[in-house]
Amino acid sequence: GESVGLHLPTLSVQEGDNSIINCAYSNSASDYFIWYKQESGKGPQFIIDIRSNMDKRQGQRVTVLLNKTVKHLSLQIAATQPGDSAVYFCAENQGGTALIFGKGTTLSVSS
Amino acid sequence: KAGVTQTPRYLIKTRGQQVTLSCSPISGHRSVSWYQQTPGQGLQFLFEYFSETQRNKGNFPGRFSGRQFSNSRSEMNVSTLELGDSALYLCASSFSGGGNEQFFGPGTRLTVL
Repeated sequence: GESVGLHLPTLSVQEGDNSIINCAYSNSASDYFIWYKQESGKGPQFIIDIRSNMDKRQGQRVTVLLNKTVKHLSLQIAATQPGDSAVYFCAENQGGTALIFGKGTTLSVSS
Repeated sequence: KAGVTQTPRYLIKTRGQQVTLSCSPISGHRSVSWYQQTPGQGLQFLFEYFSETQRNKGNFPGRFSGRQFSNSRSEMNVSTLELGDSALYLCASSFSGGGNEQFFGPGTRLTVL
């Protein structure tokens, strides 16, 4: 699969590949992180979340990794499908009630 | 369970006008947050309401305001519209806000001419 070491605005993969989308967050005090998927014309859709007392969490075909030392978050999508094509955002909660969103990564999956 | 609904879905206004957008949260959710999404600035937090009280506010001018009703439905108002207010306005609801899963509506696309 392809991975992105630094945040890049786009990621193109082949169907069946594993995708890794990276995100750097801003505040070391952030205690809750979420990945959202946004398809064209729709609002962001919750994918998976993780709290700061964890370093890994798995969902259905998705895994989120949290590295608090370097303030880095990643989303791994296994066996990427065309339906996974969308813009992916990471968001952090700094203990208040607002989510701070990162710049999105557009994932394009070709079959 | 019905999702977050926003009305209207599309809106065209001219500079100087005002606009009111509406959001109905998921049943049982008491927190409603509003976000502005533009290509240049991305998703930015506007404000959050919980139990009819504004609990948090982002860095937006006073032309942006909101309120929440006793049934948790929320409205946001933008007065004296500017071209730069053209954006997708998203509402998110959660049980208690912030560090809990937030569910987004489809958004209202506002175009200011």
